[in-house]
Amino acid sequence: DVKVTQSSRYLVKRTGEKVFLECVQDMDHENMFWYRQDPGLGLRLIYFSYDVKMKEKGDIPEGYSVSREKKERFSLILESASTNQTSMYLCASKPLAALTGELFFGEGSRLTVL
Amino acid sequence: KQEVTQIPAALSVPEGENLVLNCSFTDSAIYNLQWFRQDPGKGLTSLLLIQSSQREQTSGRLNASLDKSSGRSTLYIAASQPGDSATYLCAVLDSNYQLIWGAGTKLIIKP
Repeated sequence: DVKVTQSSRYLVKRTGEKVFLECVQDMDHENMFWYRQDPGLGLRLIYFSYDVKMKEKGDIPEGYSVSREKKERFSLILESASTNQTSMYLCASKPLAALTGELFFGEGSRLTVL
Repeated sequence: KQEVTQIPAALSVPEGENLVLNCSFTDSAIYNLQWFRQDPGKGLTSLLLIQSSQREQTSGRLNASLDKSSGRSTLYIAASQPGDSATYLCAVLDSNYQLIWGAGTKLIIKP
């Protein structure tokens, strides 16, 4: 079974802090994604990556950056956290060879910014 | 622009009933449609993936259908159980390989 692991399930940070959200997948998938999910707004794509050191902006990249130094790991970075970044963050992956294939999600990271 | 709608936003049914969740989309040019389940405070679990060339997919008590021409998909759950209570989301992969999400249907199965 594909496993996508988000290292932090719950985080509480203060405004202005730098925040790292880590995601690791164990199935050698090329494509990795970061979404945020908010009530009433659904899932919105922040960034995605289709290979090591490659990144593409999604629909709402402002205030975020990402890092993909190794194939299995995709990190989401909030350089200076703000209260409007309080949200559920979801990481997902799928293989490049299966662009129309199934998307696998991690358990989510609930971030609260005070 | 592709839009995905799930109606109703919430549904409550007694245990044991068969039920149908709906997902509609505005542009029939899709590669596939995927149904997910989300438990409160958790990530998404993939339930069924229907490619554009397929009409339906089945997994256990779940059956998903796809009618591209009418822009509709249904998720049929047979003999519902309290453990089926969750939010169900559908997403279509559009012609640009972008995933477009519905807002979800929150399902409550009453014991």
